[in-house]
Amino acid sequence: DSGVTQTPKHLITATGQRVTLRCSPRSGDLSVYWYQQSLDQGLQFLIQYYNGEERAKGNILERFSAQQFPDLHSELNLSSLELGDSALYFCASSVSGTANTGELFFGEGSRLTVL
Amino acid sequence: QKEVEQDPGPLSVPEGAIVSLNCTYSNSAFQYFMWYRQYSRKGPELLMYTYSSGNKEDGRFTAQVDKSSKYISLFIRDSQPSDSATYLCAMSALYNNDMRFGAGTRLTVKP
Repeated sequence: DSGVTQTPKHLITATGQRVTLRCSPRSGDLSVYWYQQSLDQGLQFLIQYYNGEERAKGNILERFSAQQFPDLHSELNLSSLELGDSALYFCASSVSGTANTGELFFGEGSRLTVL
Repeated sequence: QKEVEQDPGPLSVPEGAIVSLNCTYSNSAFQYFMWYRQYSRKGPELLMYTYSSGNKEDGRFTAQVDKSSKYISLFIRDSQPSDSATYLCAMSALYNNDMRFGAGTRLTVKP
């Protein structure tokens, strides 16, 4: 158990809808990262927050947004969903503001299916 | 061409075999190199971390980085059925939080 909690574990929705994925980082970790994992693209970095502020942005679509709250939990909002958004969405946390140390702790993921 | 290339396998070996997993990359700015292990229906977990070139050993696992060839390897000695998982290489540049992952190699170790 990594200590990172993600909800929901599974989500099935329709095209055009909006969903929110939630992540609680490990106790004491200030950074939260969001990744998308699909069969053909592998793990893709979306966005990072550090202590409530956006720290880095990756290949995140404009239809997606995220935030980190004062209690350090984070939410990833996906809107105007398309079939291609079906994927596993992982949250990871780390104590530092940089991923260079490599010690990211991943949750078990939220599997999103868009029909 | 992807920034990080990793053969997705699958790779199947008998118990006790030496396993070699590899990644190549194109971005010469990468200085931090990681290997993550991902069991089915779980999130990735950090296995090995290496900074710059060289070797690092941890028990049955050895990570090698050859920056001149832009090539990294993970060796697993005396492989066990419990090593059956997907192994992802990952790398990042200094002051860059956009860690790039390989597609992952699915490994099965048969008893």
